[in-house]
Amino acid sequence: DVKVTQSSRYLVKRTGEKVFLECVQDMDHENMFWYRQDPGLGLRLIYFSYDVKMKEKGDIPEGYSVSREKKERFSLILESASTNQTSMYLCASSFSLKGAILSNQPQHFGDGTRLSIL
Amino acid sequence: DAKTTQPNSMESNEEEPVHLPCNHSTISGTDYIHWYRQLPSQGPEYVIHGLTSNVNNRMASLAIAEDRKSSTLILHRATLRDAAVYYCILRPRETSGSRLTFGEGTQLTVNP
Repeated sequence: DVKVTQSSRYLVKRTGEKVFLECVQDMDHENMFWYRQDPGLGLRLIYFSYDVKMKEKGDIPEGYSVSREKKERFSLILESASTNQTSMYLCASSFSLKGAILSNQPQHFGDGTRLSIL
Repeated sequence: DAKTTQPNSMESNEEEPVHLPCNHSTISGTDYIHWYRQLPSQGPEYVIHGLTSNVNNRMASLAIAEDRKSSTLILHRATLRDAAVYYCILRPRETSGSRLTFGEGTQLTVNP
């Protein structure tokens, strides 16, 4: 089974801090994603990466950056944490086959990091 | 993007079948219907997907209406572990990394 591991289940940080959220997958997936999930707003894509050192902005990239130096690891960085970034953060990965219909590839999620910014 | 409509909540008894409906009247011809679920305190989990024909896998069955404007996720024998929020989403056919967008979903309660 695919395993997506997020470094922390719960995290409390202060306003203005630089925050790192780490995600590792063990299935050699090409695609990796960072989402946040908020009540009433559903799931929203922050950034995704389809290859090492490649990244694409999602729907809400402001205030975030990402890093993908190795295929299995995708990091989300909050440059200067603010209270409106308090949320559940979810990492996901999916397989990518050239020419395949990627919308059919299921995304496999970690258990999430509940981040509180005080 | 085409939208889906699901009931806010449903209830079932353990070991009985559960039919979770989803309406998607504005679906386009190339949209795939996907279902995910999210158990309490866990990340979402892929369940099943289909285009036109009914689909079965080890977790569930997906019944798609002939006009594709609605679909039903079928859990054949509900267990307590199936209590979760179920999301029905449409994913357009594309060949680049694609986002998932969940709405509010259906909260399924399974009674012992």
